[in-house]
Amino acid sequence: AQRVTQPEKLLSVFKGAPVELKCNYSYSGSPELFWYVQYSRQRLQLLLRHISRESIKGFTADLNKGETSFHLKKPFAQEEDSAMYYCALKSMGGGFKTIFGAGTRLFVKA
Amino acid sequence: GAVVSQHPSWVICKSGTSVKIECRSLDFQATTMFWYRQFPKQSLMLMATSNEGSKATYEQGVEKDKFLINHASLTLSTLTVTSAHPEDSSFYICSARVRLSSETQYFGPGTRLLVL
Repeated sequence: AQRVTQPEKLLSVFKGAPVELKCNYSYSGSPELFWYVQYSRQRLQLLLRHISRESIKGFTADLNKGETSFHLKKPFAQEEDSAMYYCALKSMGGGFKTIFGAGTRLFVKA
Repeated sequence: GAVVSQHPSWVICKSGTSVKIECRSLDFQATTMFWYRQFPKQSLMLMATSNEGSKATYEQGVEKDKFLINHASLTLSTLTVTSAHPEDSSFYICSARVRLSSETQYFGPGTRLLVL
């Protein structure tokens, strides 16, 4: 079964501290994984995708097929990073639908 | 960047009535649109995938006769909640994608439905 698991509902860190939002997936194929972010009172938007291997707003995420993980990391958290983060997996069958994890709310304290 | 709009942004209706929610891609043509439902403090749950000119594909557990989806053009998809009941109260979000295998989905701002 296809599943995306984000074990932490809430993650609170101090400004300047490293942050890691965990994501594990279950998928019987080559996954395409994404991180979406939703800032307060704003719509959901794409943060980054694994195949691009890019760094957006200082965030990076590496796909670890052995551990079936796609954790989101940033070395120095900023207050403006406070938001809801969703890990998502794109299924290559059935219309290429996207399955979302439950989300992790990141709160960066001053 | 691509913009997706939804109308209305919120709606209150009486139990038993039907409500139509529109999703429009404003500056691009969307071959595929998705409809999600989000309960308070929960993740997005995919309801259905809508391809222009064809019938929508509904996820398991979603009643297609209750949630009617029409994708008549490349810029408009509609979700009609028929005979709405209080348990249908939720936040409905659409997203649009340009190509079948495109990675990027553009999300609408969502529509909050409250059924009294």
